[in-house]
Amino acid sequence: AQKITQTQPGMFVQEKEAVTLDCTYDTSDPSYGLFWYKQPSSGEMIFLIYQGSYDQQNATEGRYSLNFQKARKSANLVISASQLGDSAMYFCAMREGIYGNKLVFGAGTILRVKS
Amino acid sequence: DGGITQSPKYLFRKEGQNVTLSCEQNLNHDAMYWYRQDPGQGLRLIYYSQIVNDFQKGDIAEGYSVSREKKESFPLTVTSAQKNPTAFYLCASSIGGQGAVYEQYFGPGTRLTVT
Repeated sequence: AQKITQTQPGMFVQEKEAVTLDCTYDTSDPSYGLFWYKQPSSGEMIFLIYQGSYDQQNATEGRYSLNFQKARKSANLVISASQLGDSAMYFCAMREGIYGNKLVFGAGTILRVKS
Repeated sequence: DGGITQSPKYLFRKEGQNVTLSCEQNLNHDAMYWYRQDPGQGLRLIYYSQIVNDFQKGDIAEGYSVSREKKESFPLTVTSAQKNPTAFYLCASSIGGQGAVYEQYFGPGTRLTVT
């Protein structure tokens, strides 16, 4: 069975600094996809970044990058130059197989950016 | 504007009543999904549909029912058989069903309270 673990219930970061949100996963399928979503207090889920299990390079999207360590089964999200608007809940999710439909979510990490 | 609409944002019902949550998308996406989120937890998949007139159970389908008569609509009924219906419900859609790697786009959610 798939499993996503986010061990940090809450994190604080100073504005303009970088922060890493941890995510480890467990799957026996050699093909999988990893996603990070942001959930502001409004509740809507916002897609941030995607990494496929066969991708050779770490994914990057603007200030977001994914530190993908396949052997350690970790997919940490790095947010550079934190902004006050980054304060939100962040979820790591895994897709069963590269082309599957079902997403399994972690419990999330609350990030608070301090000015 | 293209997007996903969920209505209403807040819904209150008495125990023992069935209630239907609306989800409409104008993104021309084939696949649609329903998730449930409880306080402090990640999302769990209730049902998903890859094409019109077809849908599959997710991880927590008991006490819920869906229909997919039109591509743009995927209503969720929370029946009286659902033992703990109070939760935040999120609808999502993606470009493709099986065979696609695309991320899921989410609606703003409906917060259901049953007393």
